[in-house]
Amino acid sequence: AQSVAQPEDQVNVAEGNPLTVKCTYSVSGNPYLFWYVQYPNRGLQFLLKYITGDNLVKGSYGFEAEFNKSQTSFHLKKPSALVSDSALYFCAVRDFGSGYSTLTFGKGTMLLVSP
Amino acid sequence: DARVTQTPRDKVTEMGQEVTMRCQPILGHNTVFWYRQTMMQGLELLAYFRNRAPLDDSGMPKDRFSAEMPDATLATLKIQPSEPRDSAVYFCASGTGTGGYNEQFFGPGTRLTVL
Repeated sequence: AQSVAQPEDQVNVAEGNPLTVKCTYSVSGNPYLFWYVQYPNRGLQFLLKYITGDNLVKGSYGFEAEFNKSQTSFHLKKPSALVSDSALYFCAVRDFGSGYSTLTFGKGTMLLVSP
Repeated sequence: DARVTQTPRDKVTEMGQEVTMRCQPILGHNTVFWYRQTMMQGLELLAYFRNRAPLDDSGMPKDRFSAEMPDATLATLKIQPSEPRDSAVYFCASGTGTGGYNEQFFGPGTRLTVL
């Protein structure tokens, strides 16, 4: 089965500083990778995805992610963090474990941006 | 602004009682997912429907959980009998195409507490 790992339970960054939330993946075949964000007491919201093409993917709210095949990574980045970016971030990968195409999510990384 | 809706938002019940959660997917979406989120296990896929047909429910405890789509505007997740270990937030998500390729739109979730 495909899988993703988010090695950090929490990332702390000061407002205005760049942020990185890490994700590594393990897949057989071509990876389809996603980032979602969850604000308190809300459902997950799609940020961006990588299917093919340019390794730098741009998404919502100024976020971007860099696909690195040699390092099997798909780290989420933003040049300048906002306090409002504080939320739980999930990396996900397309999975065929059941014979059908679904998503397998990582455990999530809590991002805390301090004023 | 099309959204996935879920009812109830919160449910407190006693062990052994039946619990039914409802989801209205976004109009025109042909895929529906049920997820369960806990601190310990993270986000787990319980069931997956495409064009109202159940494709994968391998993530569900079969003896007590059941998921159905009586029509294209309603998906239900039922637990009978409920147990304290079922306490979690249950999310419904909908989308188009195949599950692992396109964006999934999540509802606000049902927070279930089984006493």
